[in-house]
Amino acid sequence: GQNIDQPTEMTATEGAIVQINCTYQTSGFNGLFWYQQHAGEAPTFLSYNVLDGLEEKGRFSSFLSRSKGYSYLLLKELQMKDSASYLCAVRYNQGGKLIFGQGTELSVKP
Amino acid sequence: GAVVSQHPSRVICKSGTSVKIECRSLDFQATTMFWYRQFPKQSLMLMATSNEGSKATYEQGVEKDKFLINHASLTLSTLTVTSAHPEDSSFYICSAPQGPEAFFGQGTRLTVV
Repeated sequence: GQNIDQPTEMTATEGAIVQINCTYQTSGFNGLFWYQQHAGEAPTFLSYNVLDGLEEKGRFSSFLSRSKGYSYLLLKELQMKDSASYLCAVRYNQGGKLIFGQGTELSVKP
Repeated sequence: GAVVSQHPSRVICKSGTSVKIECRSLDFQATTMFWYRQFPKQSLMLMATSNEGSKATYEQGVEKDKFLINHASLTLSTLTVTSAHPEDSSFYICSAPQGPEAFFGQGTRLTVV
């Protein structure tokens, strides 16, 4: 299988920093994506990692360690509008399809 | 980024009827598209891979006779839910890769009554 695990729920405070972890099976790995999804809407692309290290994009950063099968999404200066589901998805060699984790529901409180 | 258009965004149909959902890549060609289904409070589950000019590849547990996929051109894939039942009510969403990225349609909320 291609188990992709991430926490189901997280809560954080406005203005703070939150880290959402994702682990995955490494065999056939060909890239990792993070998406944001608000209820009833399509996922919105946040980041893409294929090499080890940190990718920074404004308030959002994503880290990848291929040897450990581990990634995290870091959100800084949290805003209320960041309350959403965050999806970790891995692309495996077979046909380029993305396999999604169960999603992390983030609640940002005042 | 690239644009993927999905239509309709919402549809309500009677039990036993069929519903067709379209997914178009507007500014690029997509030889492959992916169809996902998402139930409330759950993540996206891959249903099938749509291949232009050949048969779709279905994931384990997905009935190919119930979920008909046609990828007739390089910019259009369709998913037809045949003989729909209330348990088919879900959010269906398509995706098309371009380069290393994957672009999603807006999704279709299907309600079967």
